[in-house]
Amino acid sequence: GAGVSQTPSNKVTEKGKYVELRCDPISGHTALYWYRQSLGQGPEFLIYFQGTGAADDSGLPNDRFFAVRPEGSVSTLKIQRTERGDSAVYLCASSLSQENEQFFGPGTRLTVL
Amino acid sequence: KQEVTQIPAALSVPEGENLVLNCSFTDSAIYNLQWFRQDPGKGLTSLLLIQSSQREQTSGRLNASLDKSSGRSTLYIAASQPGDSATYLCAVQTGANNLFFGTGTRLTVIP
Repeated sequence: GAGVSQTPSNKVTEKGKYVELRCDPISGHTALYWYRQSLGQGPEFLIYFQGTGAADDSGLPNDRFFAVRPEGSVSTLKIQRTERGDSAVYLCASSLSQENEQFFGPGTRLTVL
Repeated sequence: KQEVTQIPAALSVPEGENLVLNCSFTDSAIYNLQWFRQDPGKGLTSLLLIQSSQREQTSGRLNASLDKSSGRSTLYIAASQPGDSATYLCAVQTGANNLFFGTGTRLTVIP
């Protein structure tokens, strides 16, 4: 069956621009997570959705970051006024519900020049 | 805040050797622990999930153990192969629902 997919796989943008990263979870998975992974580090939690609502957004670094999941399936991570420090791999994961095994997508590599 | 540590940071072994990767975490109040594999430039592949009530899980040549009270987990890989070369990440899930990851162990299996 289809796994978690993320688009684009790579995104290069200029400092100050706006970007959107998309995640398609596994069908039927109600829980969706966004993580950010910097080079040589483990992924760090950004935000968790249960259904359509953001159940925990405590990992978002600042108000330039925002994520939505309007229909409880696809999610979009939005970054305004990008900075060079935002460069990282953004990973999306989904699970049947909280406390279940999380399945990860291939990630979007964001480079801010 | 939960902190996860993995040692060693890097490991190089000859093909066929058995090996152990270590993971420790500071807060024992976890729901589960997952071991992942990450190939260069790729996403994470889940290897094993151990629920907090379990002591170990096995899948093929992999065996993961969990000692929740001491905050430790090990991943045992038997008869290592060059295809096992990757970064192995340990992550714990707490009541906050998200995963806390270690920085990984980069494994190289030499043919």
